[in-house]
Amino acid sequence: GDSVTQMEGPVTLSEEAFLTINCTYTATGYPSLFWYVQYPGEGLQLLLKATKADDKGSNKGFEATYRKETTSFHLEKGSVQVSDSAVYFCALTGSNFGNEKLTFGTGTRLTIIP
Amino acid sequence: DADVTQTPRNRITKTGKRIMLECSQTKGHDRMYWYRQDPGLGLRLIYYSFDVKDINKGEISDGYSVSRQAQAKFSLSLESAIPNQTALYFCATRGGDYEQYFGPGTRLTVT
Repeated sequence: GDSVTQMEGPVTLSEEAFLTINCTYTATGYPSLFWYVQYPGEGLQLLLKATKADDKGSNKGFEATYRKETTSFHLEKGSVQVSDSAVYFCALTGSNFGNEKLTFGTGTRLTIIP
Repeated sequence: DADVTQTPRNRITKTGKRIMLECSQTKGHDRMYWYRQDPGLGLRLIYYSFDVKDINKGEISDGYSVSRQAQAKFSLSLESAIPNQTALYFCATRGGDYEQYFGPGTRLTVT
């Protein structure tokens, strides 16, 4: 079945550091890929998405590129801020009609220190 | 107002009790979902519904049941709560794109 493996946390960085959170996946066909973010005490929010190979999703300074050859969707940001502290989830959904399941990675807790 | 709301936000209950978690949405979406989140396990799908008449089990449906009372309402029930159902529960909806919109979550503790 489908699965998502993401970098284990917690990750602690200083403000303005470069961020990479690795995510690889296993799926049949051509899944859509997502990064969700969960701020303390809140539900998940979609951060960015990519629906086909070589697409780059971007939002709030974060980027991730859908790499089918390496089955990866790594999250990057050039200069993190304290407000980026949250838990980040990589996820995918299948390409087949009616495949409703969002498969999540286990989440990576990110803490940014001033 | 939030698009997806959940009640209650926090609940402590005893083993063996029946409990219902409620979810309402104002996005007009047909598809709704219930997930549970456990530390180190990410989110796992309990049940999902394509519309009022179409309800499907997810990967961890044992011990849970659901009711889709209307397009906007999707309730999750624990018929006889047990301690390993202690978790954070999320409701979500999905529209025409692939994005799912999550509620704020219900923190459930079973003692």
